[in-house]
Amino acid sequence: DTAVSQTPKYLVTQMGNDKSIKCEQNLGHDTMYWYKQDSKKFLKIMFSYNNKELIINETVPNRFSPKSPDKAHLNLHINSLELGDSAVYFCASSQGTGANTEAFFGQGTRLTVV
Amino acid sequence: DAKTTQPTSMDCAEGRAANLPCNHSTISGNEYVYWYRQIHSQGPQYIIHGLKNNETNEMASLIITEDRKSSTLILPHATLRDTAVYYCIAMNTGFQKLVFGTGTRLLVSP
Repeated sequence: DTAVSQTPKYLVTQMGNDKSIKCEQNLGHDTMYWYKQDSKKFLKIMFSYNNKELIINETVPNRFSPKSPDKAHLNLHINSLELGDSAVYFCASSQGTGANTEAFFGQGTRLTVV
Repeated sequence: DAKTTQPTSMDCAEGRAANLPCNHSTISGNEYVYWYRQIHSQGPQYIIHGLKNNETNEMASLIITEDRKSSTLILPHATLRDTAVYYCIAMNTGFQKLVFGTGTRLLVSP
């Protein structure tokens, strides 16, 4: 069983469209994250949720809206997609919010906006 | 979180130990040192972390200097599958927020 799974793995869409990426973890963790890796390979945190509550929002445009229906899921909805949104998006989870815990990452969703 | 500095790239022969250094001279007392790696086209993978003491697990060993200003990740017997970008991250005890730098690209060759 995959610990952190994301769907879809690849997503190609036109500018202006709205799309969602889904993430599920079966590790029983209470904290989930979204990271973005751009074309230069820099990985940056976007959001973090703990027990369905937003705890980190790293100056992400409000076109990006995370939604956590329960502790095991954190979905990312993106409105009015732009070319600059093309990147690989990684979901992750951890138990707790402190530093003494490891994060488990999904395999990523490669988003291409054309 | 303290800034970390790593060499851009390193090479290692298969079967040899890979020693990846990291400088974190501004690390504060409550910041952990974490190591993750990212194999091409995959999500980052946790390797090991520590605060003050040296740590060892089934993947690697982490050696932290006494003054905590630098650390070394040791892969005791590198294999071709260890070829990846290795990230050293200093993180405090607040809300976990991994800040990835540019990392070290380790190439393990036959």
